[in-house]
Amino acid sequence: GENVEQHPSTLSVQEGDSAVIKCTYSDSASNYFPWYKQELGKRPQLIIDIRSNVGEKKDQRIAVTLNKTAKHFSLHITETQPEDSAVYFCAASGGPSNTGKLIFGQGTTLQVKP
Amino acid sequence: GAGVSQSPRYKVTKRGQDVALRCDPISGHVSLYWYRQALGQGPEFLTYFNYEAQQDKSGLPNDRFSAERPEGSISTLTIQRTEQRDSAMYRCASSLGEGQRITEAFFGQGTRLTVV
Repeated sequence: GENVEQHPSTLSVQEGDSAVIKCTYSDSASNYFPWYKQELGKRPQLIIDIRSNVGEKKDQRIAVTLNKTAKHFSLHITETQPEDSAVYFCAASGGPSNTGKLIFGQGTTLQVKP
Repeated sequence: GAGVSQSPRYKVTKRGQDVALRCDPISGHVSLYWYRQALGQGPEFLTYFNYEAQQDKSGLPNDRFSAERPEGSISTLTIQRTEQRDSAMYRCASSLGEGQRITEAFFGQGTRLTVV
């Protein structure tokens, strides 16, 4: 079945620096790749997603890139702020059934130091 | 409601008891998913409904776990004869489900199940 690997498991940056989180997936039929942010004690919330027909998508300080050939995608956060501190999860979905079932990575705990 | 609602928020049960967890999805959302999230881990898929049809139950760990969505709206996840290893956060998510296009999944606040 589909497997998603996420690295690093923890990431600490200074406020204003950039943060990059990387994920790889195993199922070449996957076509939808969302990123969720989960603050302590809260529910996961979508921050950005990308579909397999594009290579990059940007929304203000957040961008995601997708390399279908290599089966990996990355989250880039620029000009990090303390409120960016949270756990970030990548996920992959798609395939023949296309049910929207999400396979999540293990998560990255991002700490932004003021 | 404005978002996905789950109840109860917390459930403590004795080993061997049955529990029922409820999910009320966003109105009009066709797709409904159940996930289990262990502490410090990503959500793990359990089962998927399209309207009232359970179309994927490949993630249910064993036959003690079952789910239903009889009228295509509210869903119930039932765990029979609970065991300590069932302790986790159980999350429901729903999405519009527009044909073949995968749409954003909105998560509920979860039910924290503790089996003692």
